[in-house]
Amino acid sequence: DAKTTQPNSMESNEEEPVHLPCNHSTISGTDYIHWYRQLPSQGPEYVIHGLTSNVNNRMASLAIAEDRKSSTLILHRATLRDAAVYYCILRENTGNQFYFGTGTSLTVIP
Amino acid sequence: DAGVTQSPTHLIKTRGQQVTLRCSPKSGHDTVSWYQQALGQGPQFIFQYYEEEERQRGNFPDRFSGHQFPNYSSELNVNALLLGDSALYLCASSLVGTGNGELFFGEGSRLTVL
Repeated sequence: DAKTTQPNSMESNEEEPVHLPCNHSTISGTDYIHWYRQLPSQGPEYVIHGLTSNVNNRMASLAIAEDRKSSTLILHRATLRDAAVYYCILRENTGNQFYFGTGTSLTVIP
Repeated sequence: DAGVTQSPTHLIKTRGQQVTLRCSPKSGHDTVSWYQQALGQGPQFIFQYYEEEERQRGNFPDRFSGHQFPNYSSELNVNALLLGDSALYLCASSLVGTGNGELFFGEGSRLTVL
């Protein structure tokens, strides 16, 4: 199983940028890096994904290290609605299993 | 456009009983995956159904079984319930062939085993 390592928790002030790190030293060349988040009492929701290049969408940016052994999810301006558990996941290109770790619980301080 | 819907939202069973959970995928999706999420943990992959067949399976015993119907909806069955089966059961749908394999999750079924 592909493995990722994330800090258990992080805090951010509202309207400031947040950088959520993820280590995935055993990543293979064809593994995609996905980020999902889970708000309280809800199922996980897709945030962003990438393979090698940095990615941007309306929710966040994903910065992928050149060796692909780590990545960082960037929320440009944290809001109270961004308080959630953020999961960094490797998706094997040969399958459709998503291996969730314990994620990072993000607290946004008003 | 309805998203992924799951039923029931909450249920309580006793050890040894059997339970069936149901999932309707997002409109247009053909693949359903089931996850178990224990309290304070990330979701763990149980299995995935596509074209009415189990395609992949995680590290779960045979007590966990499933089914997919022609309309793509799915059921998760758990036999001989154990206390450790208490968890949030999440259904996720996706569409085979889409580039990113994005999963759409329902809000889950909360199972409590007493």
